[in-house]
Amino acid sequence: SQQGEEDPQALSIQEGENATMNCSYKTSINNLQWYRQNSGRGLVHLILIRSNEREKHSGRLRVTLDTSKKSSSLLITASRAADTASYFCATDKGGSARQLTFGSGTQLTVLP
Amino acid sequence: DAGITQSPRHKVTETGTPVTLRCHQTENHRYMYWYRQDPGHGLRLIHYSYGVKDTDKGEVSDGYSVSRSKTEDFLLTLESATSSQTSVYFCAISAGGRDEQFFGPGTRLTVL
Repeated sequence: SQQGEEDPQALSIQEGENATMNCSYKTSINNLQWYRQNSGRGLVHLILIRSNEREKHSGRLRVTLDTSKKSSSLLITASRAADTASYFCATDKGGSARQLTFGSGTQLTVLP
Repeated sequence: DAGITQSPRHKVTETGTPVTLRCHQTENHRYMYWYRQDPGHGLRLIHYSYGVKDTDKGEVSDGYSVSRSKTEDFLLTLESATSSQTSVYFCAISAGGRDEQFFGPGTRLTVL
């Protein structure tokens, strides 16, 4: 079963607006990562936030992590048509395993 | 794609035939992963490797085997392909296993 679940499954906004995607997970984590996938391509890493961090920024991206609620959010500000893609959260549960568990993703469409 | 190639990129095969997918990296990363991606399921881990000849099972390992005889190559074998293994397969690499993963371009496999 998947550790992370994104919400909403699909999101459509106008260029220039902000886009917010949420991720919930079930067990404790070492870190949480966000990835983007353009249609027909492999995933690209966006940002990693560790379990002892609450917020992280990278360019137009802002990620928050609330370990008490087992949830994270990804905010894309001033969206562009080129941001159209699927976005996935992935959790590292820590321990001896060195693997990520991915959610099913949010499909973001940014309309010009 | 961070020095990762996958071959073949597309393959159509028949039920019951063996299939081998290859992942090749030029980054000298220790960890390598095989995922499958299906609609509605995000990415699911099949097997991963934490060094030459060191591999472990993931969430959906039944019907798959892997081998890693060199740092740069990680092979995924379907011993006897079934229609349920029709999917897009992604290889990923990671330096430390706890950090970001870099993904290959994917292999689209169709089992008739």
